[in-house]
Amino acid sequence: GENVEQHPSTLSVQEGDSAVIKCTYSDSASNYFPWYKQELGKGPQLIIDIRSNVGEKKDQRIAVTLNKTAKHFSLHITETQPEDSAVYFCAASKNSGNQFYFGTGTSLTVIP
Amino acid sequence: DAGITQSPRHKVTETGTPVTLRCHQTENHRYMYWYRQDPGHGLRLIHYSYGVKDTDKGEVSDGYSVSRSKTEDFLLTLESATSSQTSVYFCAIREAVGTDTQYFGPGTRLTVL
Repeated sequence: GENVEQHPSTLSVQEGDSAVIKCTYSDSASNYFPWYKQELGKGPQLIIDIRSNVGEKKDQRIAVTLNKTAKHFSLHITETQPEDSAVYFCAASKNSGNQFYFGTGTSLTVIP
Repeated sequence: DAGITQSPRHKVTETGTPVTLRCHQTENHRYMYWYRQDPGHGLRLIHYSYGVKDTDKGEVSDGYSVSRSKTEDFLLTLESATSSQTSVYFCAIREAVGTDTQYFGPGTRLTVL
């Protein structure tokens, strides 16, 4: 099966700086890569996703890049704000499949 | 939480007792999923359903069973709870084939003593 690794496990940044979280995957057939944000006591919420036919996708301060050759994808958050503090998870799946493979999460703290 | 509710939100039970968790959706989505979340493991799929009475196993299905008698409800049962099943359980839904996005419920924190 697929193996998704996520780094770093914890990340602290100053407010206004950028944050980058990286994930690698093992199954070259994976073609859908969502990112979820989870606040304390809540369920994960989708913040951005990318499909394998696209190299980069942006939504305001959030962007995701995908390198299919190297089998890694990254989440970029610019101009970080305290409300960005949360745990972020990456995931991979294939062919609209039912099996999502999640990374182990990154706890992001934005210091005011 | 995308029209998904989970009940109970918190439960403490003893080893060997049966436990049923409920996921209810108001979106009329076809696909429903049960995950467990543990430190160091992220989220792992337990079981999923692709329609009423249609279910299949995920990567950590041992010790769990599911049922879906109505589109809106997906039940997860621990026949005889063990301490290793202490976890936070999340339900998720997906609309249909061709759409990849899964939306998650608020979670149920289960403690097995």
